[in-house]
Amino acid sequence: DIQMTQSPSSVSASVGDRVAITCRASQGIGIWVAWYQQKPGKAPKVLIYAASSLQSGVPSRFSGSGSGTDFTLTISTLQPEDFATYYCQQTNSFPLTFGGGTKVEIK
Amino acid sequence: EVQLVESGGGLIQPGGSLRLSCAASGFNVTSNYMSWVRQAPGKGLEWVSIIYSDGSTYYGDSVKGRFTIFRDSSLNTLYLQMNSLRGEDTAVYYCARCITIGGGFRYWGQGTLVTVSS
Repeated sequence: DIQMTQSPSSVSASVGDRVAITCRASQGIGIWVAWYQQKPGKAPKVLIYAASSLQSGVPSRFSGSGSGTDFTLTISTLQPEDFATYYCQQTNSFPLTFGGGTKVEIK
Repeated sequence: EVQLVESGGGLIQPGGSLRLSCAASGFNVTSNYMSWVRQAPGKGLEWVSIIYSDGSTYYGDSVKGRFTIFRDSSLNTLYLQMNSLRGEDTAVYYCARCITIGGGFRYWGQGTLVTVSS
């Protein structure tokens, strides 16, 4: 199985900050990573797929990069509604696996 | 409008069985990749199972042999039959739809809570 190691597990940031979350796959997965945002009590929402493709309707301050084993989700200018937990997921092979999550908290 | 509504969760004793349902509207479940994802209380996301449009199925290691994913085209509903339930199966179970596997899970239901406890 492919393990997805996400870091950091939490980050404290202020509105307007740039935030980067990384995910490392235990083996090469090409571009097959998706990123999700989840708010408490809600279902996840896909932000990025295929490493860098922005899901329709998602603000352009979210971007994704990487290939192979190393991937990054970047929020360019943190907004109040961005405080949430973020997960990466590899979509390269079964079983599909998620990273452990990164909680973005208000500093 | 695409909508997914899960039901069937509840309290069940260890070793018991439960069937979850996911009623879909706005699209045809048999023409799409449909999946179940779960989240234990206070924990991260765990992929459970997927069914392809051709009926092929795949499962996570922790549920293989105990859970079965299937669908009913006449009711446009996805199901998850869960047998031999354990405490570690306690979670909110979400159904999700993806247009392509690589595109991730674009549509999600609201989730249904399964609690396995004596």
